[in-house]
Amino acid sequence: NAGVTQTPKFQVLKTGQSMTLQCAQDMNHEYMSWYRQDPGMGLRLIHYSVGAGITDQGEVPNGYNVSRSTTEDFPLRLLSAAPSQTSVYFCASRRQDTQYFGPGTRLTVL
Amino acid sequence: GQNIDQPTEMTATEGAIVQINCTYQTSGFNGLFWYQQHAGEAPTFLSYNVLDGLEEKGRFSSFLSRSKGYSYLLLKELQMKDSASYLCAGETGANNLFFGTGTRLTVIP
Repeated sequence: NAGVTQTPKFQVLKTGQSMTLQCAQDMNHEYMSWYRQDPGMGLRLIHYSVGAGITDQGEVPNGYNVSRSTTEDFPLRLLSAAPSQTSVYFCASRRQDTQYFGPGTRLTVL
Repeated sequence: GQNIDQPTEMTATEGAIVQINCTYQTSGFNGLFWYQQHAGEAPTFLSYNVLDGLEEKGRFSSFLSRSKGYSYLLLKELQMKDSASYLCAGETGANNLFFGTGTRLTVIP
């Protein structure tokens, strides 16, 4: 099993550009989530899903979209990048009481 | 709303025992997670408590008191590799987690 994979590992965008952060898991987990981590702020939930076709907003959803067309994939879309979205993004998937994080994507918006 | 408090930093000696506390306020509380995160890496799962009481997993134990909104993570026989940030997270609703800012633990010889 590859676990939770995220691509890309690093990305630099210009303000106003759009992009998609990819997340995939091969553990057949129903629950998946996206977080951002900023210095001094801890992890903050952006969007989450409890199964294919079901998504919901977390604490900081503005500027981000998600979809969950399959159990395996949970992409995060930045609609129009802003410098405030410079952060490290983690995807996670969960089986019952155990949650696994991907390696993260470090995003810089200039 | 939801709120989690945990100390920002702690220091402990190799071989000792350390307790990291976490208090939370929320509605619709399901359970509480603990994670370990080394600098520059992704968080790794340590424990998930739903019921009151102590759960032990090797050198790590986690305690929950739902009535007091309180949890702690207990690390025994500290090793240098335990130097990391420890994240407390509450779950409200299915898969809706809110995190504290983390406790940075430094283990000294």
